[in-house]
Amino acid sequence: ETGVTQSPTHLIKTRGQQVTLRCSSQSGHNTVSWYQQALGQGPQFIFQYYREEENGRGNFPPRFSGLQFPNYSSELNVNALELDDSALYLCASSLGQASGANVLTFGAGSRLTVL
Amino acid sequence: QKEVEQDPGPLSVPEGAIVSLNCTYSNSAFQYFMWYRQYSRKGPELLMYTYSSGNKEDGRFTAQVDKSSKYISLFIRDSQPSDSATYLCAALNTGFQKLVFGTGTRLLVSP
Repeated sequence: ETGVTQSPTHLIKTRGQQVTLRCSSQSGHNTVSWYQQALGQGPQFIFQYYREEENGRGNFPPRFSGLQFPNYSSELNVNALELDDSALYLCASSLGQASGANVLTFGAGSRLTVL
Repeated sequence: QKEVEQDPGPLSVPEGAIVSLNCTYSNSAFQYFMWYRQYSRKGPELLMYTYSSGNKEDGRFTAQVDKSSKYISLFIRDSQPSDSATYLCAALNTGFQKLVFGTGTRLLVSP
């Protein structure tokens, strides 16, 4: 059974650029959630995708967008990058929508630095 | 006020000590409570979760939730250097999709 894999692991962008981060969910999981973890902070919920549709969104502007594909993999896109977007972006997969029993499995994250 | 508050530490203890990690929360609607462990350069790994109030034990780890005081605890017995990591508490509403995390407490266990 494979876990959650994310790519790229590290990347550097400049302000105003756009970035796409990718996530392959754990085998058998059909729901993907994205979190942003700034240095020294806990992860913050960006949004969740279930059956290829956005299913819940945190307090992030529209320039944060995502996709889920039929194979349940997912992308996070961020447009017009700002310095404060520098963070570790975590993807988590689960079977079904998040609940206590539907445990989230996290990937190792993509570390984005915006200069 | 953050929905889940956690002391960022660091908390330094000698090997073999009992460690107590704590969080408080403000949202009475939270029903599920989790503890995640995060090693440097890794994603969070679920240690334990509990539903509503009560205790749950798994080996050296005990999770405790007191909903009356909105207090979440994780106890680690016989701490080991390999326990050195950041410990994140998290809470979840039934029917909502997002985990709400605390800041994380960095634990250092010295040999």
